[in-house]
Amino acid sequence: SQELEQSPQSLIVQEGKNLTINCTSSKTLYGLYWYKQKYGEGLIFLMMLQKGGEEKSHEKITAKLDEKKQQSSLHITASQPSHAGIYLCGAGPSGTYKYIFGTGTRLKVLA
Amino acid sequence: DVKVTQSSRYLVKRTGEKVFLECVQDMDHENMFWYRQDPGLGLRLIYFSYDVKMKEKGDIPEGYSVSREKKERFSLILESASTNQTSMYLCASQVSAGRAFFGQGTRLTVV
Repeated sequence: SQELEQSPQSLIVQEGKNLTINCTSSKTLYGLYWYKQKYGEGLIFLMMLQKGGEEKSHEKITAKLDEKKQQSSLHITASQPSHAGIYLCGAGPSGTYKYIFGTGTRLKVLA
Repeated sequence: DVKVTQSSRYLVKRTGEKVFLECVQDMDHENMFWYRQDPGLGLRLIYFSYDVKMKEKGDIPEGYSVSREKKERFSLILESASTNQTSMYLCASQVSAGRAFFGQGTRLTVV
């Protein structure tokens, strides 16, 4: 079965620093989703990537999907305390409706 | 935007009790999911449903059952709650094979 591995598991950065979170799949991805979760709450959708080489940005967050569609990265530029939370990558394997998720990256931004 | 509502944010139940977690979505989505989230393990799929009265087991269905009598409502049932079912439970809905929308989560404690 497909698995998603995220790295790092946790990250502490100083406000204003850039950071990158990675998500690696054991199989080809047919849809890669990035979500953010504030502590103790539900998941908020950030971005969806479907095509190899695709890149999307929203405010200071950029997500990329590699050409082989097995790895995605989420990059935050000039981090702020409001970026703190848990970032999860999710994927919908082809041919099923099941969603799987990575174990998440816990981000803390120090003011 | 789509709204997915879980009946409780916090719940405390006793061992052996039958527990019902309710989830309602307002956008006529075919697919609905129940996950549990535990530190270090990420989101794990318990059950999902792709239509009324239709359900499929996810990765960790043991100790749980589900009910989907109406399209908008997907219930998770803990037949006899145990302490190892203390967790954060997240419901999601999805149209076809697109992004998933999540509820705010239910933090269940079984004592």
